[in-house]
Amino acid sequence: SAVISQKPSRDICQRGTSLTIQCQVDSQVTMMFWYRQQPGQSLTLIATANQGSEATYESGFVIDKFPISRPNLTFSTLTVSNMSPEDSSIYLCSVEDGGYTEAFFGQGTRLTVV
Amino acid sequence: AQSVAQPEDQVNVAEGNPLTVKCTYSVSGNPYLFWYVQYPNRGLQFLLKYITGDNLVKGSYGFEAEFNKSQTSFHLKKPSALVSDSALYFCAVREPSSGGSYIPTFGRGTSLIVHP
Repeated sequence: SAVISQKPSRDICQRGTSLTIQCQVDSQVTMMFWYRQQPGQSLTLIATANQGSEATYESGFVIDKFPISRPNLTFSTLTVSNMSPEDSSIYLCSVEDGGYTEAFFGQGTRLTVV
Repeated sequence: AQSVAQPEDQVNVAEGNPLTVKCTYSVSGNPYLFWYVQYPNRGLQFLLKYITGDNLVKGSYGFEAEFNKSQTSFHLKKPSALVSDSALYFCAVREPSSGGSYIPTFGRGTSLIVHP
């Protein structure tokens, strides 16, 4: 199974600034996913990131606000840009490991925007 | 389109009693079904899955779930709850992939509280 290291685990940021979240996987994976989990709510998919191609964003999410990098098969970053208090949430990266049907998740990043 | 319903926001149970966390799903074709658990300030951890075969699947920490095709349900169960089982539980469904990746749909989560 894939082991995912996500950082930072939490941060408190000023509105108008940006935060980059990193996700490192211990094996090569094709698909990486970024989710947002708002307080008391389920997971909402932000985008799917494949190595070597532009990320695919879900409805309601745009690249200017959530730019994603996927430079290789073990690493991805999500940036939350020009933050506002509404961006306060838990952000999770997830991977699909080809040998498994279940998803694997990082520890999450708890973001508070003040 | 696939969807998952977890009808209970919260389930309360006394330690030592059996617990059930409910999940129903909607998907075209045969589903892949999953349960995940999220402890405070942590990511989601995989508990168990149904892909095919025996309708009763067993997973981590003594949890099990029963796939019921006629009722389109996949309820999570445990014979004897522990206080340490208190967490947020997510049911998820996805369609079998065929050459591509299919993204799971998650339920809204059920908070399980086990009282000493």
